[in-house]
Amino acid sequence: GQQVMQIPQYQHVQEGEDFTTYCNSSTTLSNIQWYKQRPGGHPVFLIQLVKSGEVKKQKRLTFQFGEAKKNSSLHITATQTTDVGTYFCAGSGSNYKLTFGKGTLLTVNP
Amino acid sequence: DGGITQSPKYLFRKEGQNVTLSCEQNLNHDAMYWYRQDPGQGLRLIYYSQIVNDFQKGDIAEGYSVSREKKESFPLTVTSAQKNPTAFYLCASSIASHYNYGYTFGSGTRLTVV
Repeated sequence: GQQVMQIPQYQHVQEGEDFTTYCNSSTTLSNIQWYKQRPGGHPVFLIQLVKSGEVKKQKRLTFQFGEAKKNSSLHITATQTTDVGTYFCAGSGSNYKLTFGKGTLLTVNP
Repeated sequence: DGGITQSPKYLFRKEGQNVTLSCEQNLNHDAMYWYRQDPGQGLRLIYYSQIVNDFQKGDIAEGYSVSREKKESFPLTVTSAQKNPTAFYLCASSIASHYNYGYTFGSGTRLTVV
């Protein structure tokens, strides 16, 4: 079945440093979504990417979808303590069923 | 405000007992989902429903059951057949499942079986 791998599993940064998490699928995706889960909270939808090579920005967050639609990345510029949480990617294939990666836990040292 | 309500937030049950987790949404979403989250495991799909009176098994449906009698409600029963039921359970909904829109999640129910 479809698998979505996410790396790294954990990332600790100093406030102000950049952060990137990567998502790779075993199959071509029709789209990919990104979610953020604060500690003790629930996942919150951030964005969806659909087109090959698509790049979208939300303030300090930059999301990319690979040309082959099998990988994606989330980059945060100049992290802040409010960025702490687990970031999940979730991809869907031809059956439109969403498969979540295991997430990257980001901690930020002030 | 529209959203998804899961209750209770914390639930304790004795081993061998069935327990039902509530999920209600007022977003008028057609599709609803149940996920299980364990530390380091991400989110794993238990059951999903695209329309009323219809639902499909997800990746880890064994030991669980659901119903979808109303559009707004999608309760999950954790049966005594579920071998390791202690986990964080998340309910979600979306506009439709034939094209993926972002999911809206409830705040979750943390189930502990002793």
